[in-house]
Amino acid sequence: EVQLVESGGGLVQPGGSLRLSCVASGFTFSSHSMNWVRQAPGKGLEWISYVSHTGSPLYYADSVKGRFTISRDNAKNSLFLQMNSLRAEDTALYYCARDSGYCTDTGCYRWHDAWGQGTLVTVSS
Amino acid sequence: DIQMTQSPSTLSASVGDRVTITCRASQSISSWLAWYQQKPGKAPKLLIHDASTLESGVPSRFSGSGSGTEFTLTISSLQPDDFATYFCQQHNSYPYTFGQGTKLEIK
Repeated sequence: EVQLVESGGGLVQPGGSLRLSCVASGFTFSSHSMNWVRQAPGKGLEWISYVSHTGSPLYYADSVKGRFTISRDNAKNSLFLQMNSLRAEDTALYYCARDSGYCTDTGCYRWHDAWGQGTLVTVSS
Repeated sequence: DIQMTQSPSTLSASVGDRVTITCRASQSISSWLAWYQQKPGKAPKLLIHDASTLESGVPSRFSGSGSGTEFTLTISSLQPDDFATYFCQQHNSYPYTFGQGTKLEIK
């Protein structure tokens, strides 16, 4: 059974930092690209970051670029999100999401076929 | 960035109804569109990718269509388990943007 378990969320003051983790099981982690997607309370979904199965390339939403860093450790089946300079608007449930997809001569196309249950980040003084 | 707009934002329907949700992209995304279902307190669940490819295990009453900038998700006969919020997401280019969601409510 595919499982993704996030941890590391909590209450942090504006300007502070947090590191989220996502541990994967039930599939070959090193074969899949991974993402972080967040959802502010009562709001919609926002994709924020991608990492390929090898660790590069990386992509970020403009809303977190320069503040958040995605990384992975394939030996430990783990995905990470280092979040710095946190703002109130970063308050959200953070999901890790596995990609499946394929590449054609026009590009590579992926979708999120497995999700964790999320870890809540609250930025408040 | 590609903007995704869903309509309606809320839809009231009854068990057995046929319902359609629309998603429009601000520029062509070919067929690179996914649909997700989310229930309260739960993670999203993939229903459809590539605009019309049903994910394994998803009931056949769900179907997707469209290409370019206009897409639809259709549920042919609503079941009690289908009342949830539905999101589209373009998977054509990063950032992979989502629509704002359509909440499907019981009439």
